[in-house]
Amino acid sequence: QVQLQESGPGLVKPSETLSLTCTVSGGSISSYYWSWIRQPPGKGLEWIGYIYSRGSTNYNPSLKSRITISLDTSKNQFSLKLSSVTAADTAVYYCARRKAEWYGGDPPGWFDPWGQGTLVTVSS
Amino acid sequence: DIQMTQSPSSLSASVGDRVTITCRASQSISSYLNWYQQKPGKAPKLLIYVASTLQSGVPSRFSGSGSGTDFTLTISSLQPEDFATYYCQQSYITEAFGGGTKVEIK
Repeated sequence: QVQLQESGPGLVKPSETLSLTCTVSGGSISSYYWSWIRQPPGKGLEWIGYIYSRGSTNYNPSLKSRITISLDTSKNQFSLKLSSVTAADTAVYYCARRKAEWYGGDPPGWFDPWGQGTLVTVSS
Repeated sequence: DIQMTQSPSSLSASVGDRVTITCRASQSISSYLNWYQQKPGKAPKLLIYVASTLQSGVPSRFSGSGSGTDFTLTISSLQPEDFATYYCQQSYITEAFGGGTKVEIK
């Protein structure tokens, strides 16, 4: 079965760029959509964005100017970069596979499975 | 943007109770509504997708219904392992999660 694992620094300084990688095992990344979702401590879930295996992306409009999601099919990984971070970006960051009723474009979808999550704290 | 409103934000219930959680969208989202369960310190787990399709491996006591703007998640007989926080999520236009409903032991 497909498993996902996030990795990256747990502490990032304000104004710097947060960089995380999600490694997919048990299946190929060369299909489906691959997503990032975050959860500030004690709060709800916020969708960040996703990338389709063919390279197209869809980002949360509220974060769009600061986000880049990319794919490395040779390593079965996808990555998130979030620039100009502030304390408000402190959260547990999850990666997840996004399944859909059809593929291509931006179809409705759902997230399954999820990685275990990684806490990223923004602090000097 | 489509806003998702869950109610109640929390509830207390006993083992064996029937529990219903509501999710309302600010505009029609057809049937593109999913439900997740999250336990403390764990990642969310998909329960139901496209409003009423039970994810493989999820107990049949969980069910979902609705279309348009109003949706419900029902747990027919609450079990000890069901105490958790539940989130709805729409994917009709971009993605958005509801604020969550915490189900606590009465």
